[in-house]
Amino acid sequence: GEDVEQSLFLSVREGDSSVINCTYTDSSSTYLYWYKQEPGAGLQLLTYIFSNMDMKQDQRLTVLLNKKDKHLSLRIADTQTGDSAIYFCAETPGYSSASKIIFGSGTRLSIRP
Amino acid sequence: GAVVSQHPSRVICKSGTSVKIECRSLDFQATTMFWYRQFPKQSLMLMATSNEGSKATYEQGVEKDKFLINHASLTLSTLTVTSAHPEDSSFYICSATSSGGAPDTQYFGPGTRLTVL
Repeated sequence: GEDVEQSLFLSVREGDSSVINCTYTDSSSTYLYWYKQEPGAGLQLLTYIFSNMDMKQDQRLTVLLNKKDKHLSLRIADTQTGDSAIYFCAETPGYSSASKIIFGSGTRLSIRP
Repeated sequence: GAVVSQHPSRVICKSGTSVKIECRSLDFQATTMFWYRQFPKQSLMLMATSNEGSKATYEQGVEKDKFLINHASLTLSTLTVTSAHPEDSSFYICSATSSGGAPDTQYFGPGTRLTVL
């Protein structure tokens, strides 16, 4: 079955770049996503990338996709305290026709001064 | 952007009672709504997918008689946890999507924290 894996924690210094990594198993994934969850809140879609793309940039966010290695990363430039949250990698399986999303376990990003 | 609300945001109930959670899409018509469950410090687990006017599709291992889902209109879906037990305590999150864009973006509600005593 499909599986999405992420490291659980990441700590970076304010102003540095954060890189959150994710691996997935479904080679037929159509879309891959990054969601942000702040404490006690729902999920906010940060960005997504179609499986035939290698890179997508949106302001401070850069998504890199290595389809051969089934590796997705999210880079946050100039990390700020407001970026502290849990970041979920997710994918839409290739077999899904109902917008089903499979989530990773989430990476908790903490910012140190 | 599209807004999804959930009510209540927090509920505490006694074991054996039933609890209803509402999920509403406020400014768009949701053809499909999803219900997730999130345990502390864990990921979201998809429980079921519901389409307006039809029966929900439950994921493997989710008891349909325990978690009743009703998607009565294009803006409202409800999840009823029947005969709740302490192990049902969790954070329940819904999401809604409307057909059209690629991908069909899911908009998430703020979640409902259920505590069963």
